[in-house]
Amino acid sequence: EAQVTQNPRYLITVTGKKLTVTCSQNMNHEYMSWYRQDPGLGLRQIYYSMNVEVTDKGDVPEGYKVSRKEKRNFPLILESPSPNQTSLYFCASRGLAGTGTGELFFGEGSRLTVL
Amino acid sequence: AQSVTQLGSHVSVSEGALVLLRCNYSSSVPPYLFWYVQYPNQGLQLLLKYTTGATLVKGINGFEAEFKKSETSFHLTKPSAHMSDAAEYFCAVRGATNTGNQFYFGTGTSLTVIP
Repeated sequence: EAQVTQNPRYLITVTGKKLTVTCSQNMNHEYMSWYRQDPGLGLRQIYYSMNVEVTDKGDVPEGYKVSRKEKRNFPLILESPSPNQTSLYFCASRGLAGTGTGELFFGEGSRLTVL
Repeated sequence: AQSVTQLGSHVSVSEGALVLLRCNYSSSVPPYLFWYVQYPNQGLQLLLKYTTGATLVKGINGFEAEFKKSETSFHLTKPSAHMSDAAEYFCAVRGATNTGNQFYFGTGTSLTVIP
């Protein structure tokens, strides 16, 4: 089954304690992206990657890091989480090959609370 | 830059009534347009998309949307609301070139269906 898998789904942590949210897709997609969803603000892009070893900032990258060492994985790293990073996070992927419409496929979300 | 405006952050309809969720976009080039639905505690899933061709697009669960270039709109409709339609709906726009174009999401519309 084609899917984007995120872990953990739920996490409560404390300020300053490094954490990583993993994302893996099994569709051989070149493009992967992280979004955060906050009430009234919709989805805002944090980082994206067009392919292995190619990453770029989205609209709200401050306080986050990413890496893309393998095509299927795109972890989101919070080196020193702060309460304003409490949010619902989504990983998404899409194919870039050919003339496909390239709609985004989303994971089920990771709800992060930083105390 | 592209942007998406969803009028009405909350919409309530009676079961069996028409559903109309509004989406306007700004884009300097012909866009690709998408509607996604998010059920509670789930990720976003594609409802329908407009790429090229017919401007009236049919999606899953009886939803449809019409691309009106002159009005820069892509409103989502369903003739008869069902209780299971209660969810958050997001409109998104992307440039027509598959590579190198980001998705821009509206802030979402929460649909409530009243029995």
